[in-house]
Amino acid sequence: DIQMTQSPSTLSASVGDRVTITCRASQSISSWLAWYQQKPGKAPKLLIYKASSLESGVPSRFSGSGSGTEFTLTISSLQPDDFATYYCQLSRYTFGQGTKLEIK
Amino acid sequence: EVQLVESGGGLVKPGRSLRLSCTASGFTFGDYAMSWFRQAPGKGLEWVGFIRSKAYGGTTEYAASVKGRFTISRDDSKSIAYLQMNSLKTEDTAVYYCTRDREYSYGHWYFDLWGRGTLVTVSS
Repeated sequence: DIQMTQSPSTLSASVGDRVTITCRASQSISSWLAWYQQKPGKAPKLLIYKASSLESGVPSRFSGSGSGTEFTLTISSLQPDDFATYYCQLSRYTFGQGTKLEIK
Repeated sequence: EVQLVESGGGLVKPGRSLRLSCTASGFTFGDYAMSWFRQAPGKGLEWVGFIRSKAYGGTTEYAASVKGRFTISRDDSKSIAYLQMNSLKTEDTAVYYCTRDREYSYGHWYFDLWGRGTLVTVSS
């Protein structure tokens, strides 16, 4: 089975910061990666699919990049609404461990 | 409005059964595979199982942790997916989400629509 390693597990940042979250796959997965945002008590929300395609309605400050084994989610300028937990996803069965983005 | 709404959660004793429903609206339900996920308190997301659309046979697959105990079905005429949970264990305690599945290409999926979830608590 392909393993996903997401880092960091926790990230402290301030409004206006540029932040990057990374997912690494144990073997090449082409571009079959999605990113989700989850706020406490809420369902996950799709942000990015196919590594870099922005889901409709998602602000353009979110972007995804990468292919093969290394992928990144970047938020160009953090907004107060962005403090949440972020997950990468390879397949039905394989999600990253999550990155909790906290206010510094 | 395009949405999924789960229902049927609650408190149940170990060994008992519960059936969850996922009611879809705003899109052609029968065209999509549907999955169930769960999230135990303070934990990450765990895939439970999915059901293909009727066009792909309406077949199901399950995570090893629930195989033989949980059954997913669908009623396209009502736009509802079901998760029948039998022989419940305390470790099944979680918020259960249903999703609409999208396929990049054969065997590669992502989940573009999630319900808000329903809490299942298994406790004596």
